[in-house]
Amino acid sequence: DTEVTQTPKHLVMGMTNKKSLKCEQHMGHRAMYWYKQKAKKPPELMFVYSYEKLSINESVPSRFSPECPNSSLLNLHLHALQPEDSALYLCASSQGDIRGANVLTFGAGSRLTVL
Amino acid sequence: LAKTTQPISMDSYEGQEVNITCSHNNIATNDYITWYQQFPSQGPRFIIQGYKTKVTNEVASLFIPADRKSSTLSLPRVSLSDTAVYYCLVGDPQNNAGNMLTFGGGTRLMVKP
Repeated sequence: DTEVTQTPKHLVMGMTNKKSLKCEQHMGHRAMYWYKQKAKKPPELMFVYSYEKLSINESVPSRFSPECPNSSLLNLHLHALQPEDSALYLCASSQGDIRGANVLTFGAGSRLTVL
Repeated sequence: LAKTTQPISMDSYEGQEVNITCSHNNIATNDYITWYQQFPSQGPRFIIQGYKTKVTNEVASLFIPADRKSSTLSLPRVSLSDTAVYYCLVGDPQNNAGNMLTFGGGTRLMVKP
């Protein structure tokens, strides 16, 4: 299995809702990432988990809460979002133990719309 | 923070060779250079990775000069389906784990018939 699977593909939520994005990989990768991408912009790094521990948080607002239940799963919990948080959310994974040579494998993304 | 600089956009015609250059002046000694391709509403896809000199695979070549401050992605004989955004990535030299992987602006390639 060489894929990263993200669910749901599309999500519409109100500003008071609580929802979650899910990501799964079975490649034995030990690093997992969340990126946010707005239209015609590059992906922006949000969080990195390395060996199931949060290693990088790029000053992301607390209304985004990541969780890594095990080495294969990564969640992004969403609460009290704003319309400007509407974007494509990309999950990626990498082997995580190759200093300088990590290759990212991306999922297809979850398209989030906040009303 | 390692930063990459690429041309914002390029145009080409089917069958031509396309070369996209990326500048990464403060690349760390042990960092590789990795290129990705992204189509609209999809995740980026790995194209090629290299450390120095030249690397070639079935879809592209990567040229890296001795000072490693830049790299050039070469796409031979492009087709319409190569229309996409191309990103080069290097790690943050201040991040020991090597997984501080941030995207620069990318190059939007348009291939015309």
